[in-house]
Amino acid sequence: KQEVTQIPAALSVPEGENLVLNCSFTDSAIYNLQWFRQDPGKGLTSLLLIQSSQREQTSGRLNASLDKSSGRSTLYIAASQPGDSATYLCAATPGTYKYIFGTGTRLKVLA
Amino acid sequence: DAEITQSPRHKITETGRQVTLACHQTWNHNNMFWYRQDLGHGLRLIHYSYGVHDTNKGEVSDGYSVSRSNTEDLPLTLESAASSQTSVYFCASSELPESSSYEQYFGPGTRLTVT
Repeated sequence: KQEVTQIPAALSVPEGENLVLNCSFTDSAIYNLQWFRQDPGKGLTSLLLIQSSQREQTSGRLNASLDKSSGRSTLYIAASQPGDSATYLCAATPGTYKYIFGTGTRLKVLA
Repeated sequence: DAEITQSPRHKITETGRQVTLACHQTWNHNNMFWYRQDLGHGLRLIHYSYGVHDTNKGEVSDGYSVSRSNTEDLPLTLESAASSQTSVYFCASSELPESSSYEQYFGPGTRLTVT
């Protein structure tokens, strides 16, 4: 059974820092891995999707990598800003169309 | 623009009542999903559908049902609401497998309180 873990559960950094959020999954047989952002009381916003044949995806200050053999994905945020404060969720597709979600990392960027 | 809408956005109901949460998408996606989000558990899959008249149970399906009569809608019904079903409910849809991505798009959520 696929399990997805995100560490740390919470992170607080000063503005301007580069940071890395981690996502681990137990079964390497995934179709893709998706990173989401969730603001308090809001829905999920898709940030990046990495297909199983890809190693990384980039969008602006965000870069997500995928290493299926080690069961890991990382989300790199460059030059963090207070507006980046949110909960970041990763989700893996274990071979069907449904996703298994991690419990998220709550990020706070201090001005 | 295509979107997913959920209604109501907030609902308070009493234990034992039947409740239906609506989900409507204009992406023309075949795949639709219902999740619940609770502190400490993340998002957990309740039910999902791969197309019209198709429904499947997720990991936390007890006490919930869905039906799919058209592509756009997947209503979620709580047969007899329980306090343990107090949660935030999210609907999502995704593309066909031919796209090779299965990227999921989420609705804004429904906050349900069972008293």
